[in-house]
Amino acid sequence: DTGVSQNPRHKITKRGQNVTFRCDPISEHNRLYWYRQTLGQGPEFLTYFQNEAQLEKSRLLSDRFSAERPKGSFSTLEIQRTEQGDSAMYLCASSLLAGGLYEQYFGPGTRLTVT
Amino acid sequence: KNQVEQSPQSLIILEGKNCTLQCNYTVSPFSNLRWYKQDTGRGPVSLTIMTFSENTKSNGRYTATLDADTKQSSLHITASQLSDSASYICVVRIEGGSYIPTFGRGTSLIVHP
Repeated sequence: DTGVSQNPRHKITKRGQNVTFRCDPISEHNRLYWYRQTLGQGPEFLTYFQNEAQLEKSRLLSDRFSAERPKGSFSTLEIQRTEQGDSAMYLCASSLLAGGLYEQYFGPGTRLTVT
Repeated sequence: KNQVEQSPQSLIILEGKNCTLQCNYTVSPFSNLRWYKQDTGRGPVSLTIMTFSENTKSNGRYTATLDADTKQSSLHITASQLSDSASYICVVRIEGGSYIPTFGRGTSLIVHP
């Protein structure tokens, strides 16, 4: 499968615990995006990388959230001291700039439930 | 503020019927507009992309239209199938500047047999 993959697919954690999600983009894609999606809403942008550089972060990304893409390939999103409001689907997408009409290919998401 | 509004919020139709979903946007300057289909528990999948100069584009039973003057787009689904049950999300991107697209909340479509 050459699509975007995310692990784990589901994560249940207790409030206050730290969690880390992984995203493996399509191999030749240099851009990688993280989104958060709650039930009945569209995805909300969190942050994006071009290669290993984190170029933009949303104000939604509080100090408890950190994302890395150390070698410009896979990325991790860590949430520290999780809160119940962090429960959501976390989507990763990747793209390859091609004349500005680049398409973002989404992974299946990681469903986080904070109890 | 750049916004994308979709209507209706939800829609229930019978299998075989047609339907039209609407997307209004205030994003400027406009670059392109995409319609995504998102099955429950899955990531969105692109159906069509439209640029400023395109009025209509088809992908099988899906036909998207764009009126850049009124900043409106529609997605028409012909001869609906049970597998069309999903959320349909309109996404608009601006020209230049931030590469971050603006997502609508989506229309939840349920197709009943």
